[in-house]
Amino acid sequence: TQLLEQSPQFLSIQEGENLTVYCNSSSVFSSLQWYRQEPGEGPVLLVTVVTGGEVKKLKRLTFQFGDARKDSSLHITAAQPGDTGLYLCAGFFGGATNKLIFGTGTLLAVQP
Amino acid sequence: DTGVSQDPRHKITKRGQNVTFRCDPISEHNRLYWYRQTLGQGPEFLTYFQNEAQLEKSRLLSDRFSAERPKGSFSTLEIQRTEQGDSAMYLCASSLGPPGSTEAFFGQGTRLTVV
Repeated sequence: TQLLEQSPQFLSIQEGENLTVYCNSSSVFSSLQWYRQEPGEGPVLLVTVVTGGEVKKLKRLTFQFGDARKDSSLHITAAQPGDTGLYLCAGFFGGATNKLIFGTGTLLAVQP
Repeated sequence: DTGVSQDPRHKITKRGQNVTFRCDPISEHNRLYWYRQTLGQGPEFLTYFQNEAQLEKSRLLSDRFSAERPKGSFSTLEIQRTEQGDSAMYLCASSLGPPGSTEAFFGQGTRLTVV
């Protein structure tokens, strides 16, 4: 059972278009992170959201944490070819272990 | 400190051989994670350490896999009697905590190919 489900799994768009990636779970996160990964490299942290309802912006990227802290979204405005990559959400689940679990991933391809 | 480093970056091995990977975390980080990732998928949790203690192992980790962090600094992941299904990217990450949750920083990974 996958704790964090991302949608869509794959997205191919033209430069200049907008897109939204979703990350959903039935569990509550103590915090949630978004990473971007390029081929052959490790994931690179984009943002961490902690408070329910929180919205963070990073240039053309807008991240939102759901009020109940069970879901999150990533919106990219005017996508560019440099945005191409694998986008991953990840959550620290509370309790004794508090380990970092990743979502299923969204592979984004932005065509020039 | 330049971040999390993993060695080697690439490893090609014959089926049945043993391999060992090394991860050097960010020096002040007490938590160290190992993940396995196949192409286009999210990383799958394998195991993690707090200091030298191994806190949890995934059921994905068969008896052929073992990880150590003997002095609470670097860690090694060994795979014995490798199989073709072990071919994947093996990622290491480190973080501070607990209490609370903080960002995890990743190495560039070790790409394992079993032929």
